Amino acid sequence: AQSVTQLGSHVSVSEGALVLLRCNYSSSVPPYLFWYVQYPNQGLQLLLKYTTGATLVKGINGFEAEFKKSETSFHLTKPSAHMSDAAEYFCAVSGRGYKLSFGAGTTVTVRA
Amino acid sequence: SQTIHQWPATLVQPVGSPLSLECTVEGTSNPNLYWYRQAAGRGLQLLFYSVGIGQISSEVPQNLSASRPQDRQFILSSKKLLLSDSGFYLCAWSSNTGELFFGEGSRLTVL
Repeated sequence: AQSVTQLGSHVSVSEGALVLLRCNYSSSVPPYLFWYVQYPNQGLQLLLKYTTGATLVKGINGFEAEFKKSETSFHLTKPSAHMSDAAEYFCAVSGRGYKLSFGAGTTVTVRA
Repeated sequence: SQTIHQWPATLVQPVGSPLSLECTVEGTSNPNLYWYRQAAGRGLQLLFYSVGIGQISSEVPQNLSASRPQDRQFILSSKKLLLSDSGFYLCAWSSNTGELFFGEGSRLTVL
């Protein structure tokens, strides 16, 4: 079985500051890992994914995440926050089957 | 390219009324299809998934049902809505790496 824990339900950052969203996973098989973003009243959009290969994954909108097997983590970062980054972010894990398990989500607010 | 559409986008229904939410996918064949629900402060809950026509798996016991009458059509239904059915419903399809592609969502308010 797979599960995800996102540390911190709310994160507030200043515009231009580092964004760091934490995600730890549990999986009985080598995982596929994903980060999604959701803006109000919209569906989820994929930011980036890790399946195999390079452990540092770059995604859209300047985000990146690093798969660390030894720490069972897949933290999401962005060097410089923009006002448009205000949204809810979900980490998800798949055991290479049909179903993703999602974390509870982290809401990001960006202060001017 | 693949697209996914859900409708209606917004729905306000009285308790005890029926429900039908529809989802269609274009640009892919034999997709795995999913219905998720987001209730306020409760993250994403997988309700149903389907690997083919007429094949539905339910993840949680509830007042809802799902059907897949065609390869790229997925319908979420209820005969009698409850207040607890309110939420944001998301349809999705998956690629062969498990990545999900989501529709725009349908917001249901049961009064």
